[in-house]
Amino acid sequence: DVQLVQSGADVKKPGESLRISCKTSGYSFTTYWIGWVRQMPGKGLEWMGIIYPGDSDTRYSPSFQGQVTISADKSISTVYLQWSSLKASDSAMYYCVRQIGVSSHFDYWGQGTLVTVSS
Amino acid sequence: IQMTQSPSTLSASVGDRVTITCRASQSISTWLAWYQQKPGKAPKLVIYKASSLDSRVPSRFSGSGSGTEFTLTISSLQPDDFATYYCQQYDTYLTFGGGTKVEIK
Repeated sequence: DVQLVQSGADVKKPGESLRISCKTSGYSFTTYWIGWVRQMPGKGLEWMGIIYPGDSDTRYSPSFQGQVTISADKSISTVYLQWSSLKASDSAMYYCVRQIGVSSHFDYWGQGTLVTVSS
Repeated sequence: IQMTQSPSTLSASVGDRVTITCRASQSISTWLAWYQQKPGKAPKLVIYKASSLDSRVPSRFSGSGSGTEFTLTISSLQPDDFATYYCQQYDTYLTFGGGTKVEIK
């Protein structure tokens, strides 16, 4: 079975760094894209960016370019979403998603990671 | 590309036929998906390529449309279907509609 299992909730202070993870299993890690989706409290869904673990090709939504970094570790079939300096406005639920292509629907979702940034 | 869903909230009863509309600000061919999200849970794929039903989804769900106007229809609403539904275009980058909450009447 395809599974995307995300790291647990985290609470950070503004200015701190953070890396959350999405561990995949049940399929060939290097042949599908993995993306990230943000959902702010009580709001809708926003696509942030995507990585192809096969060659680490990474694309970002213009809204998130320069704000986050997406990376992958093929040895453990895991994709990461990273912030170097968090802001209160980064508080949200983050989902990893599997995509067949850069422009495609999401066929599998992780369970979500809640990030809270508060002083 | 902007995606506009209507209505934002829909009140319906079990057994009702329900239709949700999604409009794109420009033509997206059939590059449209629908997702269902229940409170506190991750969204799930319902429909892709405008009318293709995901294999895990009951056949009472259907999708139609092309170009700029699309619909998601639930032929006979079941208790498990009360949720928020989002459309998503994947023609140029990926953007979502604002969501439609289907609530109990």
